[in-house]
Amino acid sequence: DGGITQSPKYLFRKEGQNVTLSCEQNLNHDAMYWYRQDPGQGLRLIYYSQIVNDFQKGDIAEGYSVSREKKESFPLTVTSAQKNPTAFYLCASSINLWGYEQYFGPGTRLTVT
Amino acid sequence: ILNVEQSPQSLHVQEGDSTNFTCSFPSSNFYALHWYRWETAKSPEALFVMTLNGDEKKKGRISATLNTKEGYSYLYIKGSQPEDSATYLCASGYYTGNQFYFGTGTSLTVIP
Repeated sequence: DGGITQSPKYLFRKEGQNVTLSCEQNLNHDAMYWYRQDPGQGLRLIYYSQIVNDFQKGDIAEGYSVSREKKESFPLTVTSAQKNPTAFYLCASSINLWGYEQYFGPGTRLTVT
Repeated sequence: ILNVEQSPQSLHVQEGDSTNFTCSFPSSNFYALHWYRWETAKSPEALFVMTLNGDEKKKGRISATLNTKEGYSYLYIKGSQPEDSATYLCASGYYTGNQFYFGTGTSLTVIP
């Protein structure tokens, strides 16, 4: 089955620790995205990547880092510099940017205490 | 940061009713408008992607229109069914800065 996987579903970390969220797709899509959802707010774009070894910041990239070494994988690292890391994180992919529908993973709920 | 607004925030309708939602977005440098359906405990699922002014798309009982000049899109559901219950998200993309913004969604509950 083609799709996007994110792991783990729930993640708990202590404040001050970096944590990496996994996102893998087997849809052969060029573009991948990371979004964050907070209560009462729309999905907000953290980072996106149009091709391998290239990625761009979204509006809320501060405190996050990504890599795109393989077409299938787009891991997100939440660093200790992110002031409010507790949130629901969604990964998505599409054939190319913006003009194509995005396919979403199941999400990771991160709780930092 | 651009503001994409959706109304109403929530909606309860009886099974069989037709309904519609609105998505308003800044029209300057507009590239594309997306609609997604997000059911509880599932991932958002794409309904439509529209790019041209006057675009109309249809999938079964659901249809959407786009007005890029005035910056709005309507989503229509004809003869609502309980399985239509979900949050409906719109998002708009822009040439400038290659950014993409989601609204906060319209939560639809269809009462059997």
